[in-house]
Amino acid sequence: AQSVTQLDSQVPVFEEAPVELRCNYSSSVSVYLFWYVQYPNQGLQLLLKYLSGSTLVKGINGFEAEFNKSQTSFHLRKPSVHISDTAEYFCAVSNTGTASKLTFGTGTRLQVTL
Amino acid sequence: DSGVTQTPKHLITATGQRVTLRCSPRSGDLSVYWYQQSLDQGLQFLIQYYNGEERAKGNILERFSAQQFPDLHSELNLSSLELGDSALYFCASSGTGDTYNEQFFGPGTRLTVL
Repeated sequence: AQSVTQLDSQVPVFEEAPVELRCNYSSSVSVYLFWYVQYPNQGLQLLLKYLSGSTLVKGINGFEAEFNKSQTSFHLRKPSVHISDTAEYFCAVSNTGTASKLTFGTGTRLQVTL
Repeated sequence: DSGVTQTPKHLITATGQRVTLRCSPRSGDLSVYWYQQSLDQGLQFLIQYYNGEERAKGNILERFSAQQFPDLHSELNLSSLELGDSALYFCASSGTGDTYNEQFFGPGTRLTVL
């Protein structure tokens, strides 16, 4: 079985400040890792994904994440946030190989203020 | 716009009733997934279909069922509804080729059981 832990339920940050949203996973097999963003009253949008190769992954809207196999982590970072980044962020894992279900973390609410 | 459509957007019904949620995947995508998002359970995988066949099952109640039709659209049927079934239900699809491991989410159907 797989599980995902997002350690922070809420992260308040000022505009233009850097932010890191933490994600740790547990799995007995190799996994793919994802970050999704959910804006109010909308569906989930993929920010970035790690499949293999370089451990530093760049995504949309200036976000990036680093896969750390030894620490089973996949933390999301942005060097300078904007008000429009206020949203719920979900880390997820899936098995490698054929298309398979996503197991999500509980989400982190990023609140950006002036 | 992910290309995945879901209808209806909102659904309000009473306990004991039955409802059907509909999902149209992105053009050409063969896999359809259903997820439930609720305050107490978070985002949970319910069921996956691939080209009309059930591929994987998650935490789906026996009162719930799904199917995927020859035109690849999918329906999620929820019966004997309880208050606790109130949630946001998402459909996602994935294709073949380079993005087979990436799921594209629809805007969701918000179900309220009174």
